[in-house]
Amino acid sequence: DGGITQSPKYLFRKEGQNVTLSCEQNLNHDAMYWYRQDPGQGLRLIYYSQIVNDFQKGDIAEGYSVSREKKESFPLTVTSAQKNPTAFYLCASRRTTLNTGELFFGEGSRLTVL
Amino acid sequence: QKEVEQDPGPLSVPEGAIVSLNCTYSNSAFQYFMWYRQYSRKGPELLMYTYSSGNKEDGRFTAQVDKSSKYISLFIRDSQPSDSATYLCAMSGSWGKFQFGAGTQVVVTP
Repeated sequence: DGGITQSPKYLFRKEGQNVTLSCEQNLNHDAMYWYRQDPGQGLRLIYYSQIVNDFQKGDIAEGYSVSREKKESFPLTVTSAQKNPTAFYLCASRRTTLNTGELFFGEGSRLTVL
Repeated sequence: QKEVEQDPGPLSVPEGAIVSLNCTYSNSAFQYFMWYRQYSRKGPELLMYTYSSGNKEDGRFTAQVDKSSKYISLFIRDSQPSDSATYLCAMSGSWGKFQFGAGTQVVVTP
């Protein structure tokens, strides 16, 4: 089945450690996104990529890094520079041809810093 | 002021009632409007997608967009306890970035 797969679902990290969240899609979508969701707040954009080998910072990119070496994959690294990394992270993708606006999400990764 | 405003609720309704949700926005360039349902600890699920103004119906769900008032709505008819979730509105222009409301928590009581 086509979809967006995020892993791991749950991740615990000690302070000072970098962690990488995986996002893979088999929808043949061009654009991919990373959002952060905190209780009582809307989704906030971390990074997005419209094409392979290109990505742009979102509203809260500090302390995060991404890569887009393959169309299917858009991993997010949460670095030790991120001051408050405990959150629910969501990966999304959309097809950009024909200017289709529908954005589809993965099931999320819950990161907890101990 | 946020670009997209959404009442966080909770909105509690009895089973079988109509659920009415709405969002207001400030950016007149938004063209694409979406509603998502999100269960606890899960990713958002796309319910409705509308381009520009007008109404769209899909089963028990009806989405309305009024661009002149910068107001969008989602109606859920014959609500069920399984409709209890958080509902997010989202919108974008042609530039590929999306703005989300904070979400409205809906509780449908049997």
